[in-house]
Formats: sequence, structure tokens, C-alpha cells
Amino acid sequence: GAVVSQHPSWVICKSGTSVKIECRSLDFQATTMFWYRQFPKQSLMLMATSNEGSKATYEQGVEKDKFLINHASLTLSTLTVTSAHPEDSSFYICSARTGNVDQPQHFGDGTRLSIL
Amino acid sequence: AQKVTQAQTEISVVEKEDVTLDCVYETRDTTYYLFWYKQPPSGELVFLIRRNSFDEQNEISGRYSWNFQKSTSSFNFTITASQVVDSAVYFCALMAARSNFGNEKLTFGTGTRLTIIP
Repeated sequence: GAVVSQHPSWVICKSGTSVKIECRSLDFQATTMFWYRQFPKQSLMLMATSNEGSKATYEQGVEKDKFLINHASLTLSTLTVTSAHPEDSSFYICSARTGNVDQPQHFGDGTRLSIL
Repeated sequence: AQKVTQAQTEISVVEKEDVTLDCVYETRDTTYYLFWYKQPPSGELVFLIRRNSFDEQNEISGRYSWNFQKSTSSFNFTITASQVVDSAVYFCALMAARSNFGNEKLTFGTGTRLTIIP
């Protein structure tokens, strides 16, 4: 149980393109979803937290207009990197949690984004 | 502010040896949760354990064991009789249980890269 699917797993695109990443909880309802960014050999940095039906809460330094997050249902959240540039290249990971704060976050497989 | 420190950036041990991964945390919250996650080369994070701040009992799950010492703010992870499949980056993480439901942050350590040598 507690499977989180992330799609696509790998994206290579030209600078200026907008890229959408999907995060789905397959066998549970995710009241809260999280988006992280991970640079090579570094830890995960939280970008934003989203609750179903509400606007996402962004971490300091994360541009809301650059990284659009939508959490329209209890099983789907999307992250859109708008007008992506090479510096946006990174490993993006989503996680989902159901219920109370003491429940663990379950992570997707991640999306490797490369902007040429 | 919350902080998680994993002082060991890389560890290599020979297969079948025991290995302990250290984790030290800082928080002002009295109620919090500690986690360990495994990130194999494929990239996905695998949940290993959750421990709340009121439960200092150590836990054993197969070859894995965890030692939670509140007095030293440590939550160390030991792998017994290590295997090649244990090779991965291991992250310790902390979450404070604040009243603002839905906005609790999971603070990760920098991770320990464990290599098991056959």
C-alpha cells in the first residue's frame, strides 16, 4: 500500500518550455502533498506544501509564478515549471500523506528534469 | 528552527559487517516525529521508520534497528550483517507536530551515502 506515482520520470526539453509533472497517490487519498527539489548529492529541499482544494504554501525563496502547483483532487497534484531555464534542471520529487501529521510521507519515484 | 545533522557523508563497509548511521537533531518543539528514509540509486525514497518524541523504545525490524536517545537528541540507525542491496543514501528527517495542520515541514538531513562492498 501507500504507492505514489510520479510522471514523467525523465524530461529533456529546450529552454523556455513549460513542463508539467504529475504526482498521483494510487491507493490512498492524499490530503497533503509536498514537492521537493534535490540537487546532485544533496538533500531534499521542500519547495511547497499543498492541501487538496487550497492554494499551495511555498517555501521562502521559491517563486510561485515559476513553479505552479495544483492539487485539484485527493489523488493528484501537479507541478508546472513555467518557461524553464537550465538552472531549473534538477530532480523533483513529490510526496503524499493522508490523515494526521504523524503519518509518514510516501514519495514518488522522482522526475529528472534537464533543460537544454 | 529545526535542524537535522548527519555527520557521516559517506561510509563504506564490507558485506556482512554491521554499520551504524548517525543522526542528531535540533528542535524547540516538544512533540515531534523522526523518520528514516532510504534512497537507492534509482532515486525513489523508501520509508523505513517513524518514531514520535514520546516513544523512546528502540525498535528492531529484521536486520535494521534504531536507537532513539532523547537525552542526546539522537536517532541512530544500525544495519546488521549488511548486504550489497543496502547500498543507498539514507536520510534522517524531523517533523514538528504543530497546530497548523497541513503545513508541517519535514526537515531532512544531508544524507549518508552507504556503500556495501561485496
